[in-house]
Amino acid sequence: EAEVAQSPRYKITEKSQAVAFWCDPISGHATLYWYRQILGQGPELLVQFQDESVVDDSQLPKDRFSAERLKGVDSTLKIQPAELGDSAMYLCASSDLGGAQVTQYFGPGTRLLVL
Amino acid sequence: AQRVTQPEKLLSVFKGAPVELKCNYSYSGSPELFWYVQYSRQRLQLLLRHISRESIKGFTADLNKGETSFHLKKPFAQEEDSAMYYCALGGKGANNLFFGTGTRLTVIP
Repeated sequence: EAEVAQSPRYKITEKSQAVAFWCDPISGHATLYWYRQILGQGPELLVQFQDESVVDDSQLPKDRFSAERLKGVDSTLKIQPAELGDSAMYLCASSDLGGAQVTQYFGPGTRLLVL
Repeated sequence: AQRVTQPEKLLSVFKGAPVELKCNYSYSGSPELFWYVQYSRQRLQLLLRHISRESIKGFTADLNKGETSFHLKKPFAQEEDSAMYYCALGGKGANNLFFGTGTRLTVIP
């Protein structure tokens, strides 16, 4: 069964350093989502792509976060510089259609710890 | 504004007892409600959606627009139901989902 892949699974970095996370969605899924999940809270959307275009990045802290999906397949989320408050689980999800009515398939996540 | 409230962070029930996980929402449009579940060491996955009106693993959830609720219920809890449960809200015109803070269900043998 096809699954969303993410790497790395864990990342420890020092504040002010740059970090990058990678996501490979289920083949054929046009929509890709990046979520941030702070401990004790639910996932919060950071950015949504439809193919290679950004559909929603209203909650992405653009002064330090960037995301790209150049060929409309895999995606990279970058933080530069990392801050202590960025410690969280970063989840990637994909769906074959856009919109809030569709089922999203989640990856295992990347747990980030900023020291 | 969209908002999802799950009032219980932790819920413990004995095996065989009924279980109800509460979810209330706020949304001005026509809502679409989902329950996602995360079992230990597994990824977040869809459990059920209100539009399907189906029972998954013995769980059901009814959308009550009057009370703006979408509570998850199961008549007889099983140990394998122990997990983290998230209620999520979307809707026509919305691009994405809003998740609640989650309820950790523990079924005591």
